[in-house]
Amino acid sequence: EAEVAQSPRYKITEKSQAVAFWCDPISGHATLYWYRQILGQGPELLVQFQDESVVDDSQLPKDRFSAERLKGVDSTLKIQPAELGDSAMYLCASSATTTSAYEQYFGPGTRLTVT
Amino acid sequence: GQNIDQPTEMTATEGAIVQINCTYQTSGFNGLFWYQQHAGEAPTFLSYNVLDGLEEKGRFSSFLSRSKGYSYLLLKELQMKDSASYLCAVRGSSNTGKLIFGQGTTLQVKP
Repeated sequence: EAEVAQSPRYKITEKSQAVAFWCDPISGHATLYWYRQILGQGPELLVQFQDESVVDDSQLPKDRFSAERLKGVDSTLKIQPAELGDSAMYLCASSATTTSAYEQYFGPGTRLTVT
Repeated sequence: GQNIDQPTEMTATEGAIVQINCTYQTSGFNGLFWYQQHAGEAPTFLSYNVLDGLEEKGRFSSFLSRSKGYSYLLLKELQMKDSASYLCAVRGSSNTGKLIFGQGTTLQVKP
């Protein structure tokens, strides 16, 4: 069964350092999402790609966060510099399309702890 | 604004039935999703409703009333493994298909 892959699974970093997360969506899925989930809350969309283009980054803190999906396949989310408040689970998801009943398939996530 | 409300926590007994409610106020509506999330794991898809009524899938059912901005997830014959967080998510009118998630309901199933 096809799955969304993410790495690393866990990351501990000191504040002011740079950190990067990687995601490989299900093959053939054109839409890729990065979410942040703070403990006890639901996921919040940070950025959405359609192929290699960003279609929604309204909630992405652009002063410190960046995301790319250069060839329209895998994607990288970067934080520089990391802050204590960035400690959260970072989830990547993909879907075949953005509409209709196509659900989003989530990867296992990266648990980030900023010290 | 956009708002999705769910109870924070619920407790139920193994073998029983539990109903988890979700109310929403969003800019437009293009479907409602329920996801299950075990602690420390990724959310997994449970159900999708876009028309009013009940959708049944095994022990899980989901109901939608668009006029009331209301949905519920019904879990029957509860098992210990059903202890998890249940997330309600709404797809609004955005043409990006963006999902807005509620905070999730943590369900604890007791023997």
